[in-house]
Amino acid sequence: SAVISQKPSRDICQRGTSLTIQCQVDSQVTMMFWYRQQPGQSLTLIATANQGSEATYESGFVIDKFPISRPNLTFSTLTVSNMSPEDSSIYLCSVGDVGASYFGPGTRLTVT
Amino acid sequence: GDSVTQMEGPVTLSEEAFLTINCTYTATGYPSLFWYVQYPGEGLQLLLKATKADDKGSNKGFEATYRKETTSFHLEKGSVQVSDSAVYFCALGGGGNKLTFGTGTQLKVEL
Repeated sequence: SAVISQKPSRDICQRGTSLTIQCQVDSQVTMMFWYRQQPGQSLTLIATANQGSEATYESGFVIDKFPISRPNLTFSTLTVSNMSPEDSSIYLCSVGDVGASYFGPGTRLTVT
Repeated sequence: GDSVTQMEGPVTLSEEAFLTINCTYTATGYPSLFWYVQYPGEGLQLLLKATKADDKGSNKGFEATYRKETTSFHLEKGSVQVSDSAVYFCALGGGGNKLTFGTGTQLKVEL
């Protein structure tokens, strides 16, 4: 299975600011995914990050709020823009590999 | 659209008790089904999977059988341990490795 790392592992940010989360995979993958896990909740897919094209966003998520980059087949970033306390969540990067999905350790974001 | 419904928690069991966590799904086509586990303070780990009807996924003593006729994928373990305390997520695999998750079930195992 793919080994996925994320940076930062956690951060505390002030409202109105932005945070960029990095996701690095140890092998080349076609698609990477970004999920959000709000406190005590399940995981919700934010977007699919495609290499060489625009990210595809799920209903309720927009590019202005969550811009994504995918410069190559092993790396992606998710930016949480103009943050509010409602953005306090764990953000997880995921990749698909041999019929299953694997997740990074997550970035725990607290917005004050 | 696709959806997953799993039993609410928390589920509290004594060590060595039998565990069942119910999961049912709604989907078009024939999705893959997964159970993921999230231990306290850790990330999400794949526990087991099944890719077609009547497949049984198993790992670490946990089992789940893909039941197309009842659209279910219940998680079972014959004898739970304190170390099994975690949150368990049932998930459905859509196109391109996109996952739809259930709400998660917290399991607490006590001595």
